[in-house]
Amino acid sequence: NAGVTQTPKFQVLKTGQSMTLQCAQDMNHNSMYWYRQDPGMGLRLIYYSASEGTTDKGEVPNGYNVSRLNKREFSLRLESAAPSQTSVYFCASSESEETQYFGPGTRLLVL
Amino acid sequence: KNEVEQSPQNLTAQEGEFITINCSYSVGISALHWLQQHPGGGIVSLFMLSSGKKKHGRLIATINIQEKHSSLHITASHPRDSAVYICAVRVLGSNYKLTFGKGTLLTVNP
Repeated sequence: NAGVTQTPKFQVLKTGQSMTLQCAQDMNHNSMYWYRQDPGMGLRLIYYSASEGTTDKGEVPNGYNVSRLNKREFSLRLESAAPSQTSVYFCASSESEETQYFGPGTRLLVL
Repeated sequence: KNEVEQSPQNLTAQEGEFITINCSYSVGISALHWLQQHPGGGIVSLFMLSSGKKKHGRLIATINIQEKHSSLHITASHPRDSAVYICAVRVLGSNYKLTFGKGTLLTVNP
C-alpha cells in the first residue's frame, strides 16, 4: 500500500499561472482533505470532501478549487497563482472521524 | 485567540530526559490528535484520544476533558525524537474537520 500520494513534490509558478495538485489514496477512505502549512502557523484546512461526490470549504478556500474525481482521488487547483499561495500543501485521508493519514506534501513557490 | 494552544513552542532536551508537551483548547471537542512532523518530512499521526490515556512505546498521551488539556510525554528521549509535535482537535459539530495548534519543536541532543 502506498498510502496517500501527492504530485508534484515541488513546483515553481509565476504569478497568474495555473496548476493542479494531485492526491490519491489507496486505503478506501471516504474522507479527504487539503491543507496548507505556513511558517509560524498551524495547518489550515483549504477544502475537504466527506465522501465521493461532495466537497466543502474549509478555513482558507479563497483562490482554490477542488475536484473529488472518484473515491481515490482529490485534486486541488490554483486558477491564478499568487505569491500568497506560496506554501507547503498536504493532502490527507481518513475513514470518517478516525485517524487522518497525510501525504508527503507539495512545496509550491509562486514568484 | 487560537482555539488550540501548545506549550512550549520550542523545547531542547538531553538524550534520556523525560519530555512533556502540553496542549490546551478552548472549545468542546469530540477527539484530540497528536501528530509528529520531522524536519522536511511528512506528518504522521501518533494518537487519537477522547478520554484517559494511551501509550505506544515510549510515547504516552493523556487528556483531561474537564480541564480541556492534553499532554504528550516522551520517556527516555532520543535524538530521533527530534521533530515538531502537533496537537489537533475535532471540534464538536464540525464533522471531520481538525483544528491544529502551531506545533512544538523538540530538539533532543546526544
